[in-house]
Amino acid sequence: QQQVKQSPQSLIVQKGGISIINCAYENTAFDYFPWYQQFPGKGPALLIAIRPDVSEKKEGRFTISFNKSAKQFSLHIMDSQPGDSATYFCAASDSGGYQKVTFGTGTKLQVIP
Amino acid sequence: EPEVTQTPSHQVTQMGQEVILRCVPISNHLYFYWYRQILGQKVEFLVSFYNNEISEKSEIFDDQFSVERPDGSNFTLKIRSTKLEDSAMYFCASTRGSYGNTIYFGEGSWLTVV
Repeated sequence: QQQVKQSPQSLIVQKGGISIINCAYENTAFDYFPWYQQFPGKGPALLIAIRPDVSEKKEGRFTISFNKSAKQFSLHIMDSQPGDSATYFCAASDSGGYQKVTFGTGTKLQVIP
Repeated sequence: EPEVTQTPSHQVTQMGQEVILRCVPISNHLYFYWYRQILGQKVEFLVSFYNNEISEKSEIFDDQFSVERPDGSNFTLKIRSTKLEDSAMYFCASTRGSYGNTIYFGEGSWLTVV
């Protein structure tokens, strides 16, 4: 019940295209949903996050869509750039859990010119 | 921008040896964490630490693991009697407050057990 399921495992997108990564969770206690970006040899870095009281959050080219009833959320990267090539992790935590973050399995994104 | 720093960046150790991984969290942060990432797999929570004690730990964090904040700046992870399956990247992380505050991760310590 603590799992966060993520798909696809890998994604190849042309420059300028839209990258879409999907996640699903089961634990209804989760109330904070961050997305992390990880470059090779680096630690995960927070990209964007959402709370379940909103259905969408947009920051620049990055948008999270959140469907509370379906317990699903997704990351959309608009106008994808080669510099966006990285591994993306969706994650979830609950306010009672000292910020223990449960990560998804990761999506390796490659944006080709 | 403030950052979490970790040492060593890479350590090779023999099976059965003790290893200490060190972290300097961001100075005004109050919550500290260790996560690990086995090569090609997801990042897994190990332990959280607040107010000088463990606040939560995962099933991975068994008796061979311990954490300590020996002074006001360092936060360490000790692995006693390392096993081959302990080979992973270990990330230290910190945050100023709980719930919704950004968690900052270090660049990791890559542990190879041979």
